[in-house]
Amino acid sequence: QVRLVQWGAGLLKPSETLSLTCAVYGGSFSGHYWSWVRQSPGKGLQWIGDVNLGGNTNYNPSLKSRVSISVDTSKNHFSLRLSSVTAADTAVYYCAVKDTVGYYFHYWGQGTLVTVSS
Amino acid sequence: QSVLTQSPSVSGAPGQRVTISCTGSSSNIGAGYDVHWYQQLPGTAPKLLIYGNTNRPSGVPDRFSGSKSGTSASLAITGLQAEDEADYYCQSYDNSLSGHVVFGGGTKLTVL
Repeated sequence: QVRLVQWGAGLLKPSETLSLTCAVYGGSFSGHYWSWVRQSPGKGLQWIGDVNLGGNTNYNPSLKSRVSISVDTSKNHFSLRLSSVTAADTAVYYCAVKDTVGYYFHYWGQGTLVTVSS
Repeated sequence: QSVLTQSPSVSGAPGQRVTISCTGSSSNIGAGYDVHWYQQLPGTAPKLLIYGNTNRPSGVPDRFSGSKSGTSASLAITGLQAEDEADYYCQSYDNSLSGHVVFGGGTKLTVL
């Protein structure tokens, strides 16, 4: 059974860079995409982007200019960086495992609330 | 504004059947891409409920079923139980500038 555990700073000031990491336990990196999804307070889900074992990435066009997702296979970790944050980036951020064929999310991390406030 | 459209809320009494709809367009559901459904209980991460339009992951009760037709999909829940009260999201793939993965805005299910 795959388990995802995520962590990172929960309070940022405007213009700072959001940084979150997700550790993968009980599974392999191969054959999946490793994704980030966010949920603004009281709102729906928004896909941010993902990375595969080879380091190939896909990003949501609306965030592409500010997002970077990377993978460290030696540590079974993958990470999210979102630059120049504003209050609109306040959300719960989830890491997730995405199937490469069906594009659905099998497993999810516990979520990290990131608040952007001056 | 979500790419996939869901009704904001639906309700039903215990034991009843409810359906949640998800409407897309020719660049996502109508293009033949699969629809997936997630259940999100209050304060928790989403959980995969239905994948590939009709398939249930291990452990999901057969009270939950999915279907797809044209540019729309539906999630049906039969024998409604109090623990089914949650938010439900549909998700698909989109081949336009919307992005690779798109979600519906979510439907809040209230068990009366």
